[in-house]
Amino acid sequence: EVQLMESGGGLVQPGESLKLSCAASGFKFNDFAMAWVRQAPGKGLEWVSDIAGSGASTYYADSVKGRFTISSDRSKNTVYLQMRSLRGEDTAVYYCVRASAVVGLPFSFDFWGQGTRVTVSS
Amino acid sequence: EIVLTQSPDFQSVALKEKVTITCRASHSIGTSLHWYQQKPDQSPKLLIKYASQSFSGVPSRFSGSGSGTHFTLTIDGLEAEDVATYFCQQSSSRPLTFGGGTKVDVK
Repeated sequence: EVQLMESGGGLVQPGESLKLSCAASGFKFNDFAMAWVRQAPGKGLEWVSDIAGSGASTYYADSVKGRFTISSDRSKNTVYLQMRSLRGEDTAVYYCVRASAVVGLPFSFDFWGQGTRVTVSS
Repeated sequence: EIVLTQSPDFQSVALKEKVTITCRASHSIGTSLHWYQQKPDQSPKLLIKYASQSFSGVPSRFSGSGSGTHFTLTIDGLEAEDVATYFCQQSSSRPLTFGGGTKVDVK
C-alpha cells in the first residue's frame, strides 16, 4: 500500500524558514517522481515543485522559485521541501504527491498524502 | 501557462442523476488532463488520468472524455458519497496547473 506521510508544518513568522518532510513507503521510491502541491485555505490546488525519481531534475512554480528547494534522500525514501523567506501567501496545506512517471511529462498525481499545514503570520 | 477553466463552479444534483463537469484548456493539451476528487476535509484523490482512463479502484459511474482543449467528467448516477469538489489538472507543460474546482452537492 502506498503511503505518504508529511511532517514539519507549523506556524512561522514572515521571512522565516521551514522544512517539510515526506516519508514514502509501499513502492520503489526511485521509480517515481515526487511533488509538492499546496492548497490555501478555502482555495484550489497549486503545484509547487517536483523532483525526478533520480533526484537529478527539479522544477518549481514561479511563485516559489528562488525561495523553496525540493530534494530527496533515496536511502530514507523521503522527499523534502525547504522553504525560505516565507510570506503570508505561502499559508496553505502542503500535500506530498507521487507522480505516475519517473521523470518528464506527462504524468498524473496518483497518490496524495494527508497534508501538513503551514501558517505564515506575525 | 496553460489556464484550465472549469464549469460550473457549483452543481446541486439529486441522487441518481447525472453530473457533467467541463474543463477547458487555454491551449491544446492532447489528453494530458487528469481529474481529482476532494471530499470535505480530505486530500484529493485521482479519479481519471489522461482524459479517459479510470484510476484503479474508482467506481465505474465516473468517466472522462475529451482531447485538445475540451474535457468532460461525468458521474453517471450521483451517490451521496460523491459529494466533493472536483478538479481538473494538466500535465502537458509546466507550470502544471489545476482548474478552479467544481463543488458537487446533493439537491
